Amino acid sequence: DQQVKQNSPSLSVQEGRISILNCDYTNSMFDYFLWYKKYPAEGPTFLISISSIKDKNEDGRFTVFLNKSAKHLSLHIVPSQPGDSAVYFCAASLAGGTSYGKLTFGQGTILTVHP
Amino acid sequence: KAGVTQTPRYLIKTRGQQVTLSCSPISGHRSVSWYQQTPGQGLQFLFEYFSETQRNKGNFPGRFSGRQFSNSRSEMNVSTLELGDSALYLCASSLDGDAFNQPQHFGDGTRLSIL
Repeated sequence: DQQVKQNSPSLSVQEGRISILNCDYTNSMFDYFLWYKKYPAEGPTFLISISSIKDKNEDGRFTVFLNKSAKHLSLHIVPSQPGDSAVYFCAASLAGGTSYGKLTFGQGTILTVHP
Repeated sequence: KAGVTQTPRYLIKTRGQQVTLSCSPISGHRSVSWYQQTPGQGLQFLFEYFSETQRNKGNFPGRFSGRQFSNSRSEMNVSTLELGDSALYLCASSLDGDAFNQPQHFGDGTRLSIL
């Protein structure tokens, strides 16, 4: 049962343009969402997060949008840079004591930014 | 500030053997989570430890176990290894295991290969 889905295995964009990575979830109890970036041979690195009580969070070139009614979130990277080329994971967390330390991850999207 | 350290980075074992992987969290972090990453299943939560107690567990067989020491360092053990246990094992630490308070920081993983 894939509760967090990233339906696009890969995305290719030109340097300077916008990258939009999408994520859907099925569990309406998720209350916190995170994006991680992963380079080969390294562990995932935290990028940005959003609480379910918000619909947008911005940090520099990265913005995450949350649409609770559609159970959908997206990560926008503007402008995209070649160094952004990596695998991007969407992750979700449940509130409270039943979910300590547990993130539920999507399958990841490989982003390639061409110079 | 030192990151999450996992040892060893690579490990080759044969079926039926057992293996122990080690994780040293970021100083001050008391929550340690373990994940298994495979091409087919993605990142799957194994378990989480806080103050030497397992608080949360994923859907893995009992062959997968772990422990946490008083200095928050953690080990995971896999007994009676199977070919399907070949994976990247990732450790993540945070202050208290609540993603809302602080996102998890990941180590670079241990690549386990079963022959």
